[in-house]
Amino acid sequence: ETGVTQSPTHLIKTRGQQVTLRCSSQSGHNTVSWYQQALGQGPQFIFQYYREEENGRGNFPPRFSGLQFPNYSSELNVNALELDDSALYLCASSLSKRLAGGREQFFGPGTRLTVL
Amino acid sequence: AQSVTQLGSHVSVSEGALVLLRCNYSSSVPPYLFWYVQYPNQGLQLLLKYTTGATLVKGINGFEAEFKKSETSFHLTKPSAHMSDAAEYFCAVSPPNTGNQFYFGTGTSLTVIP
Repeated sequence: ETGVTQSPTHLIKTRGQQVTLRCSSQSGHNTVSWYQQALGQGPQFIFQYYREEENGRGNFPPRFSGLQFPNYSSELNVNALELDDSALYLCASSLSKRLAGGREQFFGPGTRLTVL
Repeated sequence: AQSVTQLGSHVSVSEGALVLLRCNYSSSVPPYLFWYVQYPNQGLQLLLKYTTGATLVKGINGFEAEFKKSETSFHLTKPSAHMSDAAEYFCAVSPPNTGNQFYFGTGTSLTVIP
């Protein structure tokens, strides 16, 4: 069983650029959540995708967007990068129902984004 | 809105001593509750969770936590700390009926002194 994988591992961008981060969910999982973890902080919920549809969003601006594909892999896109976007971006997958909770989320190792 | 408070951003204990990491949540409806551990340069790993049933839950590596509704708490304990327990610990809540969305506390860094 393959766990959650993320690519790339590290990324350096300059302010104003756009970035795409990728996540492959664990086999059989239908839900992907994205989190931003700033240095020394806990992960903050960005949004969640359930069966290719957005299923909840945290307090992040619209320049943070995402996609989930039929194989349940996912992308996080960030436009107009700002210095404060520098963080570890974590992807987590789970096998869930749209409004149900309480399921373990399996996390990938993250993508470290640095914005200069 | 969900809120999670982890008292003590840094906790130090001696090897073999009791570990107590505190977590309180703010919610009108009891959420699902989780503890995750994060080792340096790694993703998060589930230690334990509470959804329903017995309020004392046991997890991996000898950790356990007790859900206390009256205190809105879910503190994590381990009777005897081991050097390998040194890591960052995060408490998370998941509101019921909103999908499997997690809201994390700011974390507690545990140092184990030999």
